[in-house]
Amino acid sequence: DIQMTQSPSTLSASVGDRITITCRANQSISRWLAWYQQKPGEGPKLLIHKASRLQDGVPSRFSGSESGTVFTLTISSLQPDDFATYYCQQYNDYPLTFGQGTRLDI
Amino acid sequence: QVQLAESGAEVTKPGASVKISCKTSGFAFSSYSIHWLRQAPGQRPEWVGWLSALNGKTQFSRHFLGRVAISADAVATTVYLELTGLTSADTAVYFCARQATYSDHYFDSWGRGALVIVSS
Repeated sequence: DIQMTQSPSTLSASVGDRITITCRANQSISRWLAWYQQKPGEGPKLLIHKASRLQDGVPSRFSGSESGTVFTLTISSLQPDDFATYYCQQYNDYPLTFGQGTRLDI
Repeated sequence: QVQLAESGAEVTKPGASVKISCKTSGFAFSSYSIHWLRQAPGQRPEWVGWLSALNGKTQFSRHFLGRVAISADAVATTVYLELTGLTSADTAVYFCARQATYSDHYFDSWGRGALVIVSS
């Protein structure tokens, strides 16, 4: 199975901050990576696919990038609605696997 | 709009089976694949398997082989997950999710999940 490792596990930030979350794959996944946001009691919401493509309707303050097997999610200016847990997911190969999550706290 | 809605919470005993439904609406059911994933408390999502509503093909995680079945009722636009031989490790929220495109296996719409508790 492809292992996905996210860092940090928890991140404390404030409204207006710029933050970056990292996701590392233990083997090449090309650009087959998605980012999701999850709030308590809800299913994950797709933010980005193919490493850097913003899903329709997602604010432009969210962006993704990749360098080899390291992927980053950046939120340029945190809004109150952004405090949630974020997951990466590789879809290069089965079984599909997720990172362990990054909880973004105020 | 696109909607997926899992059936209600289930409380069941070790060794039993559970069957959860995912009612879909707002899109052409037969054009998409529907996946099942689960998430234990405080854990990352775990992929279980998927079904192509186009041709009925299924694929499962090897971690569930022999214990899982996914089926669909195209008329009711509903997908089902059945898991047998339950243990406490199967306690989780089970989500259905729509695969975004034919070839890219990420998910553009999820349900809110169905809680399954396995306890004696």
